[in-house]
Amino acid sequence: DQQVKQNSPSLSVQEGRISILNCDYTNSMFDYFLWYKKYPAEGPTFLISISSIKDKNEDGRFTVFLNKSAKHLSLHIVPSQPGDSAVYFCAASATTSGTYKYIFGTGTRLKVLA
Amino acid sequence: DAGVTQSPTHLIKTRGQHVTLRCSPISGHKSVSWYQQVLGQGPQFIFQYYEKEERGRGNFPDRFSARQFPNYSSELNVNALLLGDSALYLCASSLGVAGYGYTFGSGTRLTVV
Repeated sequence: DQQVKQNSPSLSVQEGRISILNCDYTNSMFDYFLWYKKYPAEGPTFLISISSIKDKNEDGRFTVFLNKSAKHLSLHIVPSQPGDSAVYFCAASATTSGTYKYIFGTGTRLKVLA
Repeated sequence: DAGVTQSPTHLIKTRGQHVTLRCSPISGHKSVSWYQQVLGQGPQFIFQYYEKEERGRGNFPDRFSARQFPNYSSELNVNALLLGDSALYLCASSLGVAGYGYTFGSGTRLTVV
């Protein structure tokens, strides 16, 4: 039972354009969400987070949008750069459950073409 | 500033053996969580420790155990290794128990043959 889904295994975008990565979840108890990116042979690197009390959070080129009614979040990268090429994971946690574990999606491989 | 450090980086073990993986959190971080990442999947939660106490456990068999030491470093132990235990094992640390935006180490790549 996959509670966090990233339905696009890969995405290619031209340098300078917008990259949109999507994530869907099923558990309505999830109230905190993270995006990580991962390069080969490295651990995941934290990018941006959002709490369920917000519907948008922005940090530089990265913006995360949360649609609670649709149980959907998305990560926008503008403008995309070749160095953004990596695997991106979304993760969700039900922080009120008492156990602060994150459920990760299966990842989307982003390739930014120069 | 040292990040989260994990050792060893790579490990090859035989089925039935035991393995110990180690993690040193960022200085000042009191929470350590362990995740298993199988190729093509996202990381899966194994354990969380905070202030040396277990605060959460994922759906892993009792062959998996962990502990946290007074200096907040942690060990993950896996007994009676199976081929399916081959994976990247990730450690993440955070300041508090809530784990907001925690920092991952580079992982230990375990291969069971």
